[in-house]
Amino acid sequence: QVVLTQSPSASASLGASVKLTCTLSSGHSTYAIAWHQHQPEKGPRYLMKLNSDGSHSKGDGIPDRFSGSSSGAERHLTISSLQSEDEADYYCQTWGTGITFGGGTKLTVL
Amino acid sequence: EVQLVQSGAEVKKPGESLEISCKGSGYTFSIYWIAWVRQMPGKGLEWMGIIYPVDSDARYSPSFQGQVTISADKSINTAYLQWSSLKASDTAMYYCARPRIVGSMEAFDIWGQGTMVTVSS
Repeated sequence: QVVLTQSPSASASLGASVKLTCTLSSGHSTYAIAWHQHQPEKGPRYLMKLNSDGSHSKGDGIPDRFSGSSSGAERHLTISSLQSEDEADYYCQTWGTGITFGGGTKLTVL
Repeated sequence: EVQLVQSGAEVKKPGESLEISCKGSGYTFSIYWIAWVRQMPGKGLEWMGIIYPVDSDARYSPSFQGQVTISADKSINTAYLQWSSLKASDTAMYYCARPRIVGSMEAFDIWGQGTMVTVSS
């Protein structure tokens, strides 16, 4: 069963950039993932599907500030020009025999 | 507009039964899987199970197998999550979600707004 590992927290200053990482467990480095943003009191929001080659398909209306990249078993979400509304939990998700979520990263915008 | 709209918050006592719903609109409901996801207070997202409305093929996470029942009524574009006997530990927010690709269980691109279930004596 695939496991997704995320750092519990991250922080960056308003206007800066931040790179969040989701790491696939051994033997699953070719898996695609999805990134979701979860703001308080709202349903999660799909950001993008990210493939192992770094290609990605963003959701409707997702700003260009959000981008994805891949390196080996790592899947990255980079948010540039951070805004206050980017403060949220970010989850990665993958699929195979079932669905798996990472533990989530709480992003604080300073 | 493609959307999933969930039923409202519930407050129940331990041992009671409950069914919450998720209604799809703006797309052909029956040919997309619908998943249920739990978020316990202060915790992350957990996949519970998924159903294909066209034939009601349901798959469960091992953690939730036997604990809940997932069903769907394709005639009214609605999926359900049901408990026969609630426990206090079922207190959580529950989300439904739809994968982005027809007939696939991959990335979820549409999410419901969530249903809060509180179980307390």
